Amino acid sequence: DQQVKQNSPSLSVQEGRISILNCDYTNSMFDYFLWYKKYPAEGPTFLISISSIKDKNEDGRFTVFLNKSAKHLSLHIVPSQPGDSAVYFCAASNTGTASKLTFGTGTRLQVTL
Amino acid sequence: GAGVSQSPSNKVTEKGKDVELRCDPISGHTALYWYRQSLGQGLEFLIYFQGNSAPDKSGLPSDRFSAERTGGSVSTLTIQRTQQEDSAVYLCASSFQGGNTEAFFGQGTRLTVV
Repeated sequence: DQQVKQNSPSLSVQEGRISILNCDYTNSMFDYFLWYKKYPAEGPTFLISISSIKDKNEDGRFTVFLNKSAKHLSLHIVPSQPGDSAVYFCAASNTGTASKLTFGTGTRLQVTL
Repeated sequence: GAGVSQSPSNKVTEKGKDVELRCDPISGHTALYWYRQSLGQGLEFLIYFQGNSAPDKSGLPSDRFSAERTGGSVSTLTIQRTQQEDSAVYLCASSFQGGNTEAFFGQGTRLTVV
């Protein structure tokens, strides 16, 4: 049972344009959401997070949007840069139980020149 | 060191042999995770330790897999009688308070079973 889903396995975006990565979840108890970036041969690195009490969190070029009613979150990267090319994972947890992070299957972003 | 450390970074083993993978979490982190990533796949959850609570072993794929965390710090993932389908990158992560906070990942151990 995949509780966190990333339905787009890959995405290609031109440099300078906006990249939008999507994530859906099914567990209504999830209240903390994170995005990770992974380069080949490296461990994932934390990018940005959002609590369910918010609907938007921004950090530089990265913004995460949360739509609780739709159980959907998205990561916006603008402007996209070639160095953003990586696999992006979303993750979710239920902070009330300090439960484990549940990850999606990832979306490979390719930023082209 | 300041980050999560995993050893070895690479391991090639013969089918049927046992292997042990080690993870040194960030000091003071109460939560520790093991995930694996097979070629072309996402992050597959294996096991989660949180403080003194019983570990969440729900992701272990078979009874050949086991993990322990001694003294609330270092963790060892053991795979007995390895099979070719066990070949993957095994990733360890730790966090300060479990799912309440972001997890920091190690570089992973690439396991190849031949």
